Amino acid sequence: DAGITQSPRHKVTETGTPVTLRCHQTENHRYMYWYRQDPGHGLRLIHYSYGVKDTDKGEVSDGYSVSRSKTEDFLLTLESATSSQTSVYFCAISDRDRESFGPGTRLTVT
Amino acid sequence: GQQLNQSPQSMFIQEGEDVSMNCTSSSIFNTWLWYKQDPGEGPVLLIALYKAGELTSNGRLTAQFGITRKDSFLNISASIPSDVGIYFCAGHYGGATNKLIFGTGTLLAVQP
Repeated sequence: DAGITQSPRHKVTETGTPVTLRCHQTENHRYMYWYRQDPGHGLRLIHYSYGVKDTDKGEVSDGYSVSRSKTEDFLLTLESATSSQTSVYFCAISDRDRESFGPGTRLTVT
Repeated sequence: GQQLNQSPQSMFIQEGEDVSMNCTSSSIFNTWLWYKQDPGEGPVLLIALYKAGELTSNGRLTAQFGITRKDSFLNISASIPSDVGIYFCAGHYGGATNKLIFGTGTLLAVQP
């Protein structure tokens, strides 16, 4: 198994509160990604990183920001959580063209 | 955003039956990948394809990279109950960002 962990694994938060999800890898891979998974939509890319301090937007980036200050950590922040951000969030890593996924974080915004 | 057309959306089959699912795209892809996701877990890579026409097997699973580079299929032979899950296709169309595009998934249910 690829060395990817996500924390927390589950979180319930209230609308309007900030939330940060963490992805940690032990593989020293260059690329890291944040996806959200919702019924009927599959996996949609939120943000990705191609190196320390190098990040870019995916297809559903509104309301999310990311930071990567170290190779091993990629943080996803919801500045002010909304109910539409209730979802399962997956982190992924790759060094070539195949991505390995973390176990996911189930986020509920009430 | 760009997505792959994956079909069927769901399949309900008897144990022992063969299964086939496919993905199509309007864009040419350089790589096709097939993932399986079990409930409550992240997707796990099953097969990776890198060349047009390539046919690759992984146990009872066989996948092919279409000649046009715009499609791929996955076959599962002699299905068993642990094959239950959601299967996703994904593809790279190149570029420096290394981003994958995912299909919407095929839900497979296998009745013993």
